[in-house]
Order: sequence, then C-alpha cells, then structure tokens
Amino acid sequence: SQTIHQWPATLVQPVGSPLSLECTVEGTSNPNLYWYRQAAGRGLQLLFYSVGIGQISSEVPQNLSASRPQDRQFILSSKKLLLSDSGFYLCAWSPWVQNAFFGQGTRLTVV
Amino acid sequence: KQEVTQIPAALSVPEGENLVLNCSFTDSAIYNLQWFRQDPGKGLTSLLLIQSSQREQTSGRLNASLDKSSGRSTLYIAASQPGDSATYLCAVSNAGGTSYGKLTFGQGTILTVHP
Repeated sequence: SQTIHQWPATLVQPVGSPLSLECTVEGTSNPNLYWYRQAAGRGLQLLFYSVGIGQISSEVPQNLSASRPQDRQFILSSKKLLLSDSGFYLCAWSPWVQNAFFGQGTRLTVV
Repeated sequence: KQEVTQIPAALSVPEGENLVLNCSFTDSAIYNLQWFRQDPGKGLTSLLLIQSSQREQTSGRLNASLDKSSGRSTLYIAASQPGDSATYLCAVSNAGGTSYGKLTFGQGTILTVHP
C-alpha cells in the first residue's frame, strides 16, 4: 500500500534562517506531488505541484521554492524565512487526477 | 477562478443527531469533489470522492451528494458521535488538461458533537 511521510512534525525557526521540509511517498511510482499551506484563519492554499522529476509549478508568488530530486521525493525550501511563512504545511500525492492523500503536516513557527 | 465556500463555519450538535454540511463552488467544470476530515494539528483524511459524473457516494454513516450544475455538494452524517468532532473540508479538482489534480479548498466546517 502507499504511504506518505513528511517531516519534521514541528519546527521553530528564527526570521532569516533557511528552511527545508521533506516529503517522500512509498508504494507508487510517478505520483503527482503537492505542497499546501494552511495559515491561521485561512483555508488550504496550493503552493507548488509537480508531475515529474525536476518539474515544478508554482501557484503563488512567495518566499519559498520546491524541488523534486527523485520520483517520490518533494522538498520545500526557503533561503530566508519571513514571519509570514508561519503556518501548517502539508504534502500530498495523487495517482494522476484521483484521490489526494495527505501527510501529517509540519507546523512551522517563524519567530 | 474557482472559489469554494462551506456553510456553516461551525456547528455544535448533541450526540445522535443527523447533520448536513454544505459546500458550494463557483465553476461547475470540475473533475471531482472530495470531502476530507482534519483533526486538530493533523493532516487530512479523505472521506469521500465524487466524480463529476456521479450524484452521490456513501461510506458507513456518511453520504455525500453532488449537484454539479448548481455548484453544490452536501455531506450528510447520520447518528453523529463525539468521535466525529473535527474540521470537515470540501475540495474540488477542476476539469481540463492542466488541472493536474490541483485542489481548491473551502474554509471548512468545525464540527463539535457533545455527549
């Protein structure tokens, strides 16, 4: 069966520090991968999606970037965090345009 | 641009009640609609997926309906239990070759079922 792993679960980082969140999927190949953010008082917003290795699309302009170095690995990064980057980050995968399966999320607090 | 709205924002009911959560979307050209459950501080769990050609899906005490032409979906929960307390999210995937399964979410309904 397929599983999705996301880490770390929580993270407290100072303003201006770098960020790296990692997500891996097991039990499937060539999945569509997504990064969503859930900010306080706001709904889930799609940040990035990827349909293949090295293929990244950004949905909103921001301070973050994403990479897909391997088929089942998706990384969210920032060179310098802002206070506004705080939120709950969720990785998800989908076998093409079907059910979406989500990781357990990372709670990021920028201080 | 697709917009998804969920009503009510919060709902508190006594155990045993049947309840309905509502979801509406502005662009009826969807591929599918999903209902998710989110417990505090946790990820999303998919409850039901309705393809655009379907009218409803059922899983246990849950029943979701879809009226694509009017841009509406409802999630019906029968005989609610305290364990049903969570945030319920509705999300749509737009049709079209460049949608790639991207989801547009509503703000969610916070459900509290008290004993």
